[in-house]
Amino acid sequence: EVQLVESGGGLVQPGGSLRLSCAASGFTFSSYWMSWVRQAPGKGLEWVANIKQDGSEKYYVDSVKGRFTISRDNAKNSLYLQMNSLRAEDTAVYYCARYCSGGSCSNFDYWGQGTLVTVSS
Amino acid sequence: QSVLTQPPSVSGAPGQRVTISCTGSSSNIGAGYDVHWYQQLPGTAPKLLIYGNSNRPSGVPDRFSGSKSGTSASLAITGLQAEDEADYYCQSYDSSLSALWVFGGGTKLTVL
Repeated sequence: EVQLVESGGGLVQPGGSLRLSCAASGFTFSSYWMSWVRQAPGKGLEWVANIKQDGSEKYYVDSVKGRFTISRDNAKNSLYLQMNSLRAEDTAVYYCARYCSGGSCSNFDYWGQGTLVTVSS
Repeated sequence: QSVLTQPPSVSGAPGQRVTISCTGSSSNIGAGYDVHWYQQLPGTAPKLLIYGNSNRPSGVPDRFSGSKSGTSASLAITGLQAEDEADYYCQSYDSSLSALWVFGGGTKLTVL
């Protein structure tokens, strides 16, 4: 059974930093692209970042470029999101999601339960 | 404002059929990129409902179906049940914007 478990969320002041983690199990982690998707309170879903299987390619939504860094440790079956220079508008539940496999696919096929990040003074 | 446009809400009585539209543009759905649908039950994480325009993952009832035409896509739910009350999101890939993977704003389905 595929499981994705996020951790590391919490309350942080504007301008602060936070590192989210996602522990993966139930599948061969090193064979999949992985993603972070967020959802502000009462709002819709927003893709944040993707990382290739070996970490050689990374993509970000414009609003987090230069502030957030996605990374992974395949030996630990773990995905990370380092968030710096946090802003109030970064307040959201952050979901770790597995990106589908296959040449032409473009969906997120499994999701974690999410971790809440609140940016406030 | 989301790149993909969905109606904010739809409703239907138990047993009825409802559809949820998802309208994009020439840089996403109209460019031939697939559309996917997610169901988010209250207080839970999103779950993949339809992928590749019309395919259902294992375990998803055949009451749910998807289609795509031109720059739009639709999710249809037949035999509506109380447990279908949830938020539904469409998602695709976009080649031109600041976000490569884009979502619709979501549609709240109310079962009357």
